[in-house]
Amino acid sequence: EPEVTQTPSHQVTQMGQEVILRCVPISNHLYFYWYRQILGQKVEFLVSFYNNEISEKSEIFDDQFSVERPDGSNFTLKIRSTKLEDSAMYFCASSLTSYEQYFGPGTRLTVT
Amino acid sequence: RKEVEQDPGPFNVPEGATVAFNCTYSNSASQSFFWYRQDCRKEPKLLMSVYSSGNEDGRFTAQLNRASQYISLLIRDSKLSDSATYLCVVKGNTGTASKLTFGTGTRLQVTL
Repeated sequence: EPEVTQTPSHQVTQMGQEVILRCVPISNHLYFYWYRQILGQKVEFLVSFYNNEISEKSEIFDDQFSVERPDGSNFTLKIRSTKLEDSAMYFCASSLTSYEQYFGPGTRLTVT
Repeated sequence: RKEVEQDPGPFNVPEGATVAFNCTYSNSASQSFFWYRQDCRKEPKLLMSVYSSGNEDGRFTAQLNRASQYISLLIRDSKLSDSATYLCVVKGNTGTASKLTFGTGTRLQVTL
């Protein structure tokens, strides 16, 4: 069964550093998403991406965040200058239609 | 009022029991509804979509009441492997790649 994959599984970085989280969505999917989950809290939407552009973004997704689909398979989330409060689990998701979304295993980001 | 509200639990039930979870949502324009399950420190996994007429998948039954903005999940004959957090999820129709809005989840612990 096709799956969304994410790398790395765990990333530790210092405050102020840039990080890039990588995702490989399911191959025939057209819609891509990033969510995050701070420990003990609910899953929160960050951004959705379709047809090579951002469709929707949340208030969390400020100028420090960017997304890119650099080739036909990868989908990346960049945080330019990390803050302590960016520590969270980051989930990538994809969907074939804009209906059911399938999540990757996540990248645990720890900012020290 | 929270966008998606769930009783956090935990619900502790013996194996074989029937358990029901409820959820309310605030946005009457919401279009699609889902139940996801999340194991500890793992990604949300789609359990089932929820249709207006109600739907069943094996031991799981989901119901939607649009007038009351209420969603339910019934699990019959609980198994130890059902122990997880159950996430009520609502999707809007703001665009071609609409975000998912998650509840905080209801934790289920099935015991021997």
